[in-house]
Amino acid sequence: EDQVTQSPEALRLQEGESSSLNCSYTVSGLRGLFWYRQDPGKGPEFLFTLYSAGEEKEKERLKATLTKKESFLHITAPKPEDSATYLCAVHNYGQNFVFGPGTRLSVLP
Amino acid sequence: DSGVTQTPKHLITATGQRVTLRCSPRSGDLSVYWYQQSLDQGLQFLIQYYNGEERAKGNILERFSAQQFPDLHSELNLSSLELGDSALYFCASSPRLAGGQDTQYFGPGTRLTVL
Repeated sequence: EDQVTQSPEALRLQEGESSSLNCSYTVSGLRGLFWYRQDPGKGPEFLFTLYSAGEEKEKERLKATLTKKESFLHITAPKPEDSATYLCAVHNYGQNFVFGPGTRLSVLP
Repeated sequence: DSGVTQTPKHLITATGQRVTLRCSPRSGDLSVYWYQQSLDQGLQFLIQYYNGEERAKGNILERFSAQQFPDLHSELNLSSLELGDSALYFCASSPRLAGGQDTQYFGPGTRLTVL
């Protein structure tokens, strides 16, 4: 059964303190790995799609990387507006999407 | 604003009842996805439609059904409701079948409370 785990469950950072979020997955066949950001009470907002090991994508203060078993979301010099829950999901060849439980990020000014 | 609309925003009903949730995708998007998000289960993929046809099924209960109409809007029908069906239900849309370069755009969700 395909599974996605994320760590840590919650993370508190000071503004400007860089860190990384982890997404570990086991999937029968990976079509893509997605990162989303979700604010409380709102729908997830797409950040990145990664397709193969070694791939990296960047957007502002965020950088996502992918290996054969995990993905990292690196946050460089975060700001309070980066506070949100970050969700990782895999898309498998069975056309199913499996989401992780998320990492709750708080960035303090 | 993602361009995906969902109605109603909130729905309160009783156990055993049936409800219909509605989703209008972004203009031009052919794929619609339904998700359930609860505190204990996280975000769960339910079902995907592409241009009116069912394309993928996830953890959707037999009491739940969905359809996509010719104008591409979609409805999720939940019947014989149980307390455990209380959750946020999200719809997302994308231009083509997922698996390519598609991004899923999520709507604001419908919060269902079953009493």
